[in-house]
Amino acid sequence: DAGITQSPRHKVTETGTPVTLRCHQTENHRYMYWYRQDPGHGLRLIHYSYGVKDTDKGEVSDGYSVSRSKTEDFLLTLESATSSQTSVYFCAIRGSGAGEAFFGQGTRLTVV
Amino acid sequence: AQSVSQHNHHVILSEAASLELGCNYSYGGTVNLFWYVQYPGQHLQLLLKYFSGDPLVKGIKGFEAEFIKSKFSFNLRKPSVQWSDTAEYFCAVNQGGKLIFGQGTELSVKP
Repeated sequence: DAGITQSPRHKVTETGTPVTLRCHQTENHRYMYWYRQDPGHGLRLIHYSYGVKDTDKGEVSDGYSVSRSKTEDFLLTLESATSSQTSVYFCAIRGSGAGEAFFGQGTRLTVV
Repeated sequence: AQSVSQHNHHVILSEAASLELGCNYSYGGTVNLFWYVQYPGQHLQLLLKYFSGDPLVKGIKGFEAEFIKSKFSFNLRKPSVQWSDTAEYFCAVNQGGKLIFGQGTELSVKP
């Protein structure tokens, strides 16, 4: 498996609280992605990064922010969690060019 | 808006049947195309990919896909499915670094 880890793997949080998910890679890949997976919707891109401090929005970015201060770490923050953000979140990494993406094991987030 | 469409949401087949899953995308220009598989409880794994050259791409586990540029399609095929192919399949398109996935197709193979 590619060197990519997500933390935490499971989290339950209350509505209105901030939550930060972490994606850490050891591959020195340029691109990093955050997706959410929900039944019937597949994987939807939240934000992605193409370098340190270079990020862009995806399809469902509202309510989420990201930061990438180091090549190896890509943080996803829910500023004020809502029940609609209950989901499984996947991080992915990809090298430059046309390389394939490698996925982390996922984080199951429940907002109550 | 950029999009990837998988028209089959749930496919049920018997073992040894042939499989074809549709994938269409809305981008123009140069794209890279992928098919991923997700087995129950696991993360996504790459089945095959297309970058350039021969539009018929062969992947792992006997899967193949054909890129038809004029139809903006990248359909996945397998001549004879097995029970172990039961999983969810995702088509994805990379254009300029942005990697977008389709909604997924759930495949159930009956023994």
